[in-house]
Amino acid sequence: RKEVEQDPGPFNVPEGATVAFNCTYSNSASQSFFWYRQDCRKEPKLLMSVYSSGNEDGRFTAQLNRASQYISLLIRDSKLSDSATYLCVVIGRSQGNLIFGKGTKLSVKP
Amino acid sequence: DGGITQSPKYLFRKEGQNVTLSCEQNLNHDAMYWYRQDPGQGLRLIYYSQIVNDFQKGDIAEGYSVSREKKESFPLTVTSAQKNPTAFYLCASGETSGGSYEQYFGPGTRLTVT
Repeated sequence: RKEVEQDPGPFNVPEGATVAFNCTYSNSASQSFFWYRQDCRKEPKLLMSVYSSGNEDGRFTAQLNRASQYISLLIRDSKLSDSATYLCVVIGRSQGNLIFGKGTKLSVKP
Repeated sequence: DGGITQSPKYLFRKEGQNVTLSCEQNLNHDAMYWYRQDPGQGLRLIYYSQIVNDFQKGDIAEGYSVSREKKESFPLTVTSAQKNPTAFYLCASGETSGGSYEQYFGPGTRLTVT
């Protein structure tokens, strides 16, 4: 099993749609989880950290399921500007050592 | 303005030449990291440093070298020993204490070696 796995997509959705991404991780001892957003040919930018109780930031909701070792990101009311690649990130073997998934590409169409 | 800067944005080199990529941060972060990204691939860790004058190899350190003489700076040298150096190189910084391990990235350097 790869350390962090994501569906590569692409997810093609119309504006206003709700879309969900899942990510699985192999290290059951991982304690910190993040979602990053990466636009084409740009650097990744932190979208949100994922907390055990789940967390919400506007249209974005992140959930963690430790028992099944997966993380999810829900985007409601998709905007054209949400089009990007979303990277699932998990703490690796040592603190501060992040393991990145390959990303899920989202394309929001008018 | 606080942030991470990388220079240059694009770099072209001939095979067999060493090249050094710059990374500077003024966020007062203790830790700094170098990643490489290839098309369709995830980020892979090359080297990281959690404190000045100390650094550790990441998953793909062969053919690379780093130094951490100042807290603000973490330059990466791509040596001629690196077999496939053409890639997008990303530098990041962050804290590793207090339970927060978020990393913040610079704009990256696209290196092309021919």
